[in-house]
Amino acid sequence: AQSVTQLDSQVPVFEEAPVELRCNYSSSVSVYLFWYVQYPNQGLQLLLKYLSGSTLVKGINGFEAEFNKSQTSFHLRKPSVHISDTAEYFCAVSDHGGSNYKLTFGKGTLLTVNP
Amino acid sequence: NAGVTQTPKFQVLKTGQSMTLQCAQDMNHEYMSWYRQDPGMGLRLIHYSVGAGITDQGEVPNGYNVSRSTTEDFPLRLLSAAPSQTSVYFCASSPGGVDTDTQYFGPGTRLTVL
Repeated sequence: AQSVTQLDSQVPVFEEAPVELRCNYSSSVSVYLFWYVQYPNQGLQLLLKYLSGSTLVKGINGFEAEFNKSQTSFHLRKPSVHISDTAEYFCAVSDHGGSNYKLTFGKGTLLTVNP
Repeated sequence: NAGVTQTPKFQVLKTGQSMTLQCAQDMNHEYMSWYRQDPGMGLRLIHYSVGAGITDQGEVPNGYNVSRSTTEDFPLRLLSAAPSQTSVYFCASSPGGVDTDTQYFGPGTRLTVL
């Protein structure tokens, strides 16, 4: 079975500051990794994903994440955040065997960007 | 394309009532899933389907039924609602495959069981 741990439930930052949202996973097989974002009162939308290849993945809205297999981590970063980045962010994993319709989610990190 | 649509957006039920949450997608996706979202719990998979006529249980299936008679529709049925089923329910679809495995989520149904 796989699991996802998001180490911070809430991250408050000031506008234009850098941010890192941490995600660690455990799995007995190779995995695909995802970050989803949920704006208030909306559904989830994909921010970025790692399937294979380069360990540095770039997503929408200036976010990027780095896959670290030895540390089983997939931390999300942005060099300078905006007020509009305030949202809840979910890390998710699916196993490499093709069952990518079965995502296991972390509990989420609420990013609050203050002026 | 409308993407993934869910109805209703809000629903209040009394304990013991039954209801069906509707989900439809117009992207011809094979895979569809139902998740529930509870505060501090993230999203948990209830049921999923890999194609018309094929469904399977996820992490928290008890108290819910699904069927998939068409590619487009994947309704979720609550047989006898309980307060523990108060949650936000999301339907998602995915085209599947190695490089097209992004899940597309609907806007959610907020359910309250009294």
